[in-house]
Amino acid sequence: KAGVTQTPRYLIKTRGQQVTLSCSPISGHRSVSWYQQTPGQGLQFLFEYFSETQRNKGNFPGRFSGRQFSNSRSEMNVSTLELGDSALYLCASSLVGGILDTQYFGPGTRLTVL
Amino acid sequence: AQKVTQAQTEISVVEKEDVTLDCVYETRDTTYYLFWYKQPPSGELVFLIRRNSFDEQNEISGRYSWNFQKSTSSFNFTITASQVVDSAVYFCALSEGTSGTYKYIFGTGTRLKVLA
Repeated sequence: KAGVTQTPRYLIKTRGQQVTLSCSPISGHRSVSWYQQTPGQGLQFLFEYFSETQRNKGNFPGRFSGRQFSNSRSEMNVSTLELGDSALYLCASSLVGGILDTQYFGPGTRLTVL
Repeated sequence: AQKVTQAQTEISVVEKEDVTLDCVYETRDTTYYLFWYKQPPSGELVFLIRRNSFDEQNEISGRYSWNFQKSTSSFNFTITASQVVDSAVYFCALSEGTSGTYKYIFGTGTRLKVLA
């Protein structure tokens, strides 16, 4: 079974631009969560999508948004990029989500904002 | 406020040594879950264990063992007879709330280096 895939793996953008990251979950998984990992703030939960609906959200500004498609693939969008948005963005999928469901992580997208 | 503290930033051990990674958490909830994840150099986090707040039994899985003590709000992770492949960053995490509304709080991670 293929794992979680994230594209692109690396991305360089400049301040003020916007970016879209993609995550394809494991086949059959309906929940997708996004995390931001930075040296300063560590790992932080962004949001979770289940059946095309955002079910949980962390404490991030509205510049961070996401969506999920009917095939469970998810995209995350960051508008008006700031230098502090440089991070490794990790996506995780699970069958139905929730605390009791094991999450499987992708390799991440490393975003650099110049 | 919820918080997870991993005071050990980096630990180096020689292969075959035992090593314990510390995790201390803070929460006001009586129902919560604790997790450990491993992040190898490739980047993706790998789930190791989930423990709920009502189950204080220690757990052993091969060379890995976990000690959960509510009295000290700690959930420590021990690797016995460490191997080079254990080299990674290890994260402890806390999750509260019901299955419908929850979020994960991660510690800052402990980088483990196992030297041959």
